Amino acid sequence: NAGVMQNPRHLVRRRGQEARLRCSPMKGHSHVYWYRQLPEEGLKFMVYLQKENIIDESGMPKERFSAEFPKEGPSILRIQQVVRGDSAAYFCASSPGTGKSSPLHFGNGTRLTVT
Amino acid sequence: AQTVTQSQPEMSVQEAETVTLSCTYDTSESDYYLFWYKQPPSRQMILVIRQEAYKQQNATENRFSVNFQKAAKSFSLKISDSQLGDAAMYFCAYSRDDKIIFGKGTRLHILP
Repeated sequence: NAGVMQNPRHLVRRRGQEARLRCSPMKGHSHVYWYRQLPEEGLKFMVYLQKENIIDESGMPKERFSAEFPKEGPSILRIQQVVRGDSAAYFCASSPGTGKSSPLHFGNGTRLTVT
Repeated sequence: AQTVTQSQPEMSVQEAETVTLSCTYDTSESDYYLFWYKQPPSRQMILVIRQEAYKQQNATENRFSVNFQKAAKSFSLKISDSQLGDAAMYFCAYSRDDKIIFGKGTRLHILP
């Protein structure tokens, strides 16, 4: 039973380019979360999605960032026109259901470096 | 506003000794969950232990146990018989609504 799969593991982009981060949740999980981790910081919530729906995007920057979780295929976090401040580790997590009790299962993260 | 506070950025403990990591949180809810996650150098986030606010009994998982003080909004993690493999960042987390909020973490060093 594969865990949460994120790719790529490392991504390097020049300023102004687009970054696409992919996340395949655990089998049977329909809830996906994206978190950002800056160096020496904790994980900051960005967005919570269910299939084809954005449930909570209160942690997403208003511009350049978007996320989707289509009916088929992985969840995508998209960052347009990247800037150096976007450099961070981006983690995806999935859970089988909603509610406070469902622990999150994390992927290994994608480290984005903007040069 | 910070919802989860870990006041110890770094800690060290001698191998085989016991160490306690502190965590406090702020909430007006009565039903919630608390978690401790471990992040080793591999960057993988690993669930260590979780506690339901309604349960008075402190959760235990092998060498890991918590001291949950609901009135004080405190949720500390005790690691007994520390091992070299316990060296990692430890994050306290609180489940609110449909998302989990993390503290800034405590880096734990194990001294051989």
